[in-house]
Amino acid sequence: EAGVTQFPSHSVIEKGQTVTLRCDPISGHDNLYWYRRVMGKEIKFLLHFVKESKQDESGMPNNRFLAERTGGTYSTLKVQPAELEDSGVYFCASDAASGPYNEQFFGPGTRLTVL
Amino acid sequence: QKEVEQDPGPLSVPEGAIVSLNCTYSNSAFQYFMWYRQYSRKGPELLMYTYSSGNKEDGRFTAQVDKSSKYISLFIRDSQPSDSATYLCAMGGKLVFGQGTRLTINP
Repeated sequence: EAGVTQFPSHSVIEKGQTVTLRCDPISGHDNLYWYRRVMGKEIKFLLHFVKESKQDESGMPNNRFLAERTGGTYSTLKVQPAELEDSGVYFCASDAASGPYNEQFFGPGTRLTVL
Repeated sequence: QKEVEQDPGPLSVPEGAIVSLNCTYSNSAFQYFMWYRQYSRKGPELLMYTYSSGNKEDGRFTAQVDKSSKYISLFIRDSQPSDSATYLCAMGGKLVFGQGTRLTINP
């Protein structure tokens, strides 16, 4: 069974440009999460989808970030316009929402560099 | 103050040593406590999780949770070079992570 996949693995853009990150969760996983790690800091929660609905977007830094999950399958995270402080590694995770504890499976991350 | 504190290391020990990794936290509402392992250029991978207080053992790995002290630990026995990675503690449903400890096991 394929794990969580993310595309691209690395993106380098200029300040002010737009970037879209994609996450394909494990098939059948209703819960999808986005996290981010900026240099020297801990991994931080951004938002949580249950199927196509945003359950919790309390970690989204500002309105330059827009997340969508079309049809409850893959998700995209768009940054527009990108700023220098958006550089970091963006992780996606998914879980099956089948019990009181659900292991979150992480993708390899997208490394975003804003110049 | 961060919700979860973890010494980032780096920590370097000889092969075969017992390794102790620790985190403290401030939110008493946390019920699930996880340890993830992350290799370079990969995503975090769950090692173990513990519910509430107590110990849990899985092979060479033992996780301990002391909710009264808001302190969790991961012990690695008979450490191997393949255990070299960054170890992250995490808690809650929408995971709150520690900064991660970079561990190197020297042959």
